[in-house]
Amino acid sequence: KAGVTQTPRYLIKTRGQQVTLSCSPISGHRSVSWYQQTPGQGLQFLFEYFSETQRNKGNFPGRFSGRQFSNSRSEMNVSTLELGDSALYLCASSLSTGQQNEKLFFGSGTQLSVL
Amino acid sequence: QQQVKQSPQSLIVQKGGISIINCAYENTAFDYFPWYQQFPGKGPALLIAIRPDVSEKKEGRFTISFNKSAKQFSLHIMDSQPGDSATYFCAALNDYKLSFGAGTTVTVRA
Repeated sequence: KAGVTQTPRYLIKTRGQQVTLSCSPISGHRSVSWYQQTPGQGLQFLFEYFSETQRNKGNFPGRFSGRQFSNSRSEMNVSTLELGDSALYLCASSLSTGQQNEKLFFGSGTQLSVL
Repeated sequence: QQQVKQSPQSLIVQKGGISIINCAYENTAFDYFPWYQQFPGKGPALLIAIRPDVSEKKEGRFTISFNKSAKQFSLHIMDSQPGDSATYFCAALNDYKLSFGAGTTVTVRA
């Protein structure tokens, strides 16, 4: 069974640009979450989607947005990039049975560098 | 504000030794506590997890101990091997969101 696939693996952008990151969950998984990982702040929750609906959102500015498609694939978008947005962006998927969103499986991430 | 506090920040253990990592939380709404292992250049990989109604869970060389009244949980890595050298994160789940500890870098000396 293929794991969580994130594309692209690396990305270099300049301040003010926007970026779209893509995530394909494990087959059969309907929940997709996004996390930002930086050396200073660690792993921070961005948002979670299930059946195309956002169920929870972290404390990030409105420049960070996401969406989920009917095939469970997800994208996140960051507009007006800032230097501080440089980070590893991780996508995780889970079955999300019932009310629980347990056993999250992470992709290898997209390393975003903002110059 | 870090909702899950993890210690130590790093530790060095000899091959065959025991690594112990501790975490503490305040939010009693957390209902699932996983541990993740991360190697450089990779995403976190689920190692072992526990629910608050269980005091201990063992899988191979990895054991979670959970103290609900103290709001603390810990990971024990028995018979540590050089391949266990990685960063370990504790986490706690509530409302579809994982709150992570800051991570512990474990180095196993051969």
